[in-house]
Amino acid sequence: QVQLQESGPGLVKPSGTLSLTCAVSGGSISSSNWWTWVRQPPGRGLEWIGEISRSGNTNYNPSLKSRVTISVDDSKNQFSVKLSSVTAADTAVYYCVRRRSNDAFDFWGQGTMVTVSS
Amino acid sequence: DIQMTQSPSTLSASVGDRVTITCRASQSISIWLAWYQQKPGKAPNLLIYKASSLESGVPSRFSGSGSGTEFTLTISSLQPDDFATYYCQHYNSYPIGFGQGTRLEIK
Repeated sequence: QVQLQESGPGLVKPSGTLSLTCAVSGGSISSSNWWTWVRQPPGRGLEWIGEISRSGNTNYNPSLKSRVTISVDDSKNQFSVKLSSVTAADTAVYYCVRRRSNDAFDFWGQGTMVTVSS
Repeated sequence: DIQMTQSPSTLSASVGDRVTITCRASQSISIWLAWYQQKPGKAPNLLIYKASSLESGVPSRFSGSGSGTEFTLTISSLQPDDFATYYCQHYNSYPIGFGQGTRLEIK
């Protein structure tokens, strides 16, 4: 059973950079899946942030593309997201997710709340 | 971008009821649609993929249908554990998008 666990600061200052890491266990990050980030502002719906493949190919949401970077670390079996120039609008629960090879999102982390505030 | 619109936004029903949630895409997405269930404070859980394929471990009272631009999620006989928020998602093209959610509440 694949498990994902997010980690990172729960509070980020405005104009700063949000950085989160997702540790993958029970499966290899080098498998033929996409590793994905999704966020959910409090009381609102889900927003796809972007994804990375085992070969390092990335796809990003155009609404965030200028500010987001997703990377993978095979040696640690983990992947990460960085979101720069954050504002209060980036306050959300951030989920790391496995996207089954070109299909749906089958395994989700528990989510981590990130608040942007001074 | 492809827009996903769910209806209704809120649905009140009773245990044992048959309920249907609709999801419409702004353009054809073939069968590249998934449904998720989310309970408060929890991550979403995959129910249906490729419009009508039941994810392993998901009760058979859940079913999905549709193709192109119109899709439905049906729960054949509501159980107490089913009261939650449901999201559709397309993965036909980038950016991947979600519907706004349907909250299923107890009548």
